[in-house]
Amino acid sequence: DGGITQSPKYLFRKEGQNVTLSCEQNLNHDAMYWYRQDPGQGLRLIYYSQIVNDFQKGDIAEGYSVSREKKESFPLTVTSAQKNPTAFYLCASTTGTITGELFFGEGSRLTVL
Amino acid sequence: GQQVMQIPQYQHVQEGEDFTTYCNSSTTLSNIQWYKQRPGGHPVFLIQLVKSGEVKKQKRLTFQFGEAKKNSSLHITATQTTDVGTYFCAGYRSGSARQLTFGSGTQLTVLP
Repeated sequence: DGGITQSPKYLFRKEGQNVTLSCEQNLNHDAMYWYRQDPGQGLRLIYYSQIVNDFQKGDIAEGYSVSREKKESFPLTVTSAQKNPTAFYLCASTTGTITGELFFGEGSRLTVL
Repeated sequence: GQQVMQIPQYQHVQEGEDFTTYCNSSTTLSNIQWYKQRPGGHPVFLIQLVKSGEVKKQKRLTFQFGEAKKNSSLHITATQTTDVGTYFCAGYRSGSARQLTFGSGTQLTVLP
């Protein structure tokens, strides 16, 4: 089945630690996205990538980093510089069309202790 | 930057009542999309509107895109308990096709 796989589903970390969230897609989509969702809030864009080896900052990129070495993979690192990292993180992808719909993974819930 | 506002933030309705959520953008949108997120789940695409003044229907759901392409609405007729969830609008800025901005969402509760 084609889709987007995020792992881990739940993650706990201590303050001061970096953590990397995995996002893999087998939809052959060019563009991939990372969103953050806080309770009762909408989705805020962290980073997006339109093509391999290229990515752009979204509205809340500070304290996060990404890479796009392969078309299928777009991992997100939450660094210790992110002041409020506890959140639900959603990865999404879309085709190369100019206004494609997003397909989301099931999300990763990060809790910082 | 672009802002997409959505109202109301929460809505409780009795099963069988109608429901409407409204979406307003500070800038003109090239299109608007609607997503539904069930409790504990991830957003799932419902529909996309592209043309000014466009109206689309999916069974009990009616979606509208404003004439100025800056606002949109989702109307559900005769809600059912399966309609529970958060409804988000999202828009691509005109001239900035790859950055999809989401509204804050409307959380719908349907009381049996």
